[in-house]
Amino acid sequence: AQSVTQLDSQVPVFEEAPVELRCNYSSSVSVYLFWYVQYPNQGLQLLLKYLSGSTLVKGINGFEAEFNKSQTSFHLRKPSVHISDTAEYFCAVSDPGGYNKLIFGAGTRLAVHP
Amino acid sequence: SAVISQKPSRDICQRGTSLTIQCQVDSQVTMMFWYRQQPGQSLTLIATANQGSEATYESGFVIDKFPISRPNLTFSTLTVSNMSPEDSSIYLCSVHGEKNTEAFFGQGTRLTVV
Repeated sequence: AQSVTQLDSQVPVFEEAPVELRCNYSSSVSVYLFWYVQYPNQGLQLLLKYLSGSTLVKGINGFEAEFNKSQTSFHLRKPSVHISDTAEYFCAVSDPGGYNKLIFGAGTRLAVHP
Repeated sequence: SAVISQKPSRDICQRGTSLTIQCQVDSQVTMMFWYRQQPGQSLTLIATANQGSEATYESGFVIDKFPISRPNLTFSTLTVSNMSPEDSSIYLCSVHGEKNTEAFFGQGTRLTVV
């Protein structure tokens, strides 16, 4: 069975500082990996995804993530955060061999302070 | 991409009653997914709805409690039956894009049971 672990439930950071949100997964098969963002009182929006190919994936809003197969990680990074990045971030994995049911991590609350 | 509309966006319901949530997609899709997000927690898949067949429920979710309809390729409903305060959650509808490489989410239905 697949699972996703987001190592930090909350990450406080000052505006314009860099940030890394950590995600580890477990799976016996190859997977697709995703990062979603949820702003207050809204649904989920896709930030970026890894399907295959280059291990460095660039997404929207200046975010990027790196797939590391040996460490089964898919950490999300941004070199300089804004107040507007304050949100809940979810890492998710799916099995491309199945019907791509998504398994979500517990989420990381990013709080950007001025 | 897919645009998903959910109704209602929020509701406050009395315990013991039922609420039906509607999900409309702007394109035809084979599968529609229903998730629950309990307060402060991640998303958990309730069931997968295919047009023309019974929904497939995940462990811990049963049809009597969460009956689902899927009358056509653009619409689905989820009913939360005989509600209790523990059912207070955000319920989200989701579909996958082409080639099943990403998921799109509705804005969610915020349910409070009193």
